Amino acid sequence: ELKVEQNPLFLSMQEGKNYTIYCNYSTTSDRLYWYRQDPGKSLESLFVLLSNGAVKQEGRLMASLDTKARLSTLHITAAVHDLSATYFCAVEMGYGKLTFGQGTILTVHP
Amino acid sequence: DGGITQSPKYLFRKEGQNVTLSCEQNLNHDAMYWYRQDPGQGLRLIYYSQIVNDFQKGDIAEGYSVSREKKESFPLTVTSAQKNPTAFYLCATAPLGTGNNEQFFGPGTRLTVL
Repeated sequence: ELKVEQNPLFLSMQEGKNYTIYCNYSTTSDRLYWYRQDPGKSLESLFVLLSNGAVKQEGRLMASLDTKARLSTLHITAAVHDLSATYFCAVEMGYGKLTFGQGTILTVHP
Repeated sequence: DGGITQSPKYLFRKEGQNVTLSCEQNLNHDAMYWYRQDPGQGLRLIYYSQIVNDFQKGDIAEGYSVSREKKESFPLTVTSAQKNPTAFYLCATAPLGTGNNEQFFGPGTRLTVL
C-alpha cells in the first residue's frame, strides 16, 4: 500500500523567510503533483513532476522530484502572506490514481 | 465556459436518507474521480471511472455508489449505509493517455448530516 507523508504538517513562517516542505512516499513512482487549497475551497494545481530530477518553478515556489529517494520538495522563497494555504503532494500509482499526503498548513505572518 | 461543476454547493441530509451529488464536466476528459475530505485531512478516493459504463472502487467505497452513463457526468450517491457522511466531497477529472494524468478539481460539495 502506498503511503505519502508530508512534513511539517503545520508551518508558521515570517514574511521574507525561506522554507521547504517535504513529501516522502513509500513505493516507486515517477509522477508527483503539488496542489494548493485555500480555506473552504477546492484544490488548485501547482506543479506536475513527471520524471526523476524534474524541477519546476512558479514565482516564489519551486518543486523538485527525486524518485530514487522517493522524495519531493516544495521550496518557498521570501514568503509573502498570499502564500498562506494548505499544500498537498499527491503520488500517482498508475491508471491516474493519486494518493495524497496529509497536507501542510502554511501560515505566513508579518 | 469550460470546467467542472458540482452541485449543490451545500447539502443537508437527514439520517437514513440517500442523497446524490452531481459532477459535470465539459473538458472532454476520459477519467473522473470522487474524493472525500474530512476536516484537517487529505483526500481519500471513493470511486473512479476511466471510461463510460465502467468504474472502480477506491479506498473508501463502502456506503457510496456511482454511475457513468455519459462521459460528461459522474454522479455520486451517498447511501444510508455510509455511517459518517459529513465531509467535503470533491470531483476531479483527468485527460489520460497524454502522458500527464494531472487531475483538475471541481468546486466541491459540503455535505452535512443532521
